[in-house]
Amino acid sequence: KAGVTQTPRYLIKTRGQQVTLSCSPISGHRSVSWYQQTPGQGLQFLFEYFSETQRNKGNFPGRFSGRQFSNSRSEMNVSTLELGDSALYLCASSLGQGANTIYFGEGSWLTVV
Amino acid sequence: GNSVTQMEGPVTLSEEAFLTINCTYTATGYPSLFWYVQYPGEGLQLLLKATKADDKGSNKGFEATYRKETTSFHLEKGSVQVSDSAVYFCALGGSGGGADGLTFGKGTHLIIQP
Repeated sequence: KAGVTQTPRYLIKTRGQQVTLSCSPISGHRSVSWYQQTPGQGLQFLFEYFSETQRNKGNFPGRFSGRQFSNSRSEMNVSTLELGDSALYLCASSLGQGANTIYFGEGSWLTVV
Repeated sequence: GNSVTQMEGPVTLSEEAFLTINCTYTATGYPSLFWYVQYPGEGLQLLLKATKADDKGSNKGFEATYRKETTSFHLEKGSVQVSDSAVYFCALGGSGGGADGLTFGKGTHLIIQP
């Protein structure tokens, strides 16, 4: 079955703009989480959604937000982009909230100029 | 809070050499432990996992044993191949089913030379 699908794969934005990234989880998976990967900070947890509700949030400013739809697809949004937001954004899905095993997509590469 | 420490490398080995990548962790409760692998330009792939003390995870010739007494989850492989070149991440998941995301180590860049 299809894995976690993220779109777009690559994008370039200008400082101050906003961006929306999309994630389709593995079929049957109801939990979606998001991670930011940068060379300096490594992989950091952004948030997790289950049944259209944010269940947990990492230590990121309010400019980072997300949502989940009834079909479990998720989007994350970053407003007022800063240069430091340049990163690989990874979406992951799992069967349920706090499930032991999560599966990652290939990520969306965001460059802020 | 939770934390994971692993050697960052790069670790350079010759083909068919024995591999060990050390991983130690700090956590409350009884987390699950994971190794993920990331090939250039790709996302993370689950390599193996262990959910309780003394469990051994294994996949594709890689193994790791959950050692509660030493809070470690070292990754080993008996004979590496060039195709194993990648970045390897050790991670721990919240215990008790808590939805607090995975905590990752910084990653170990592994280079296998023919």
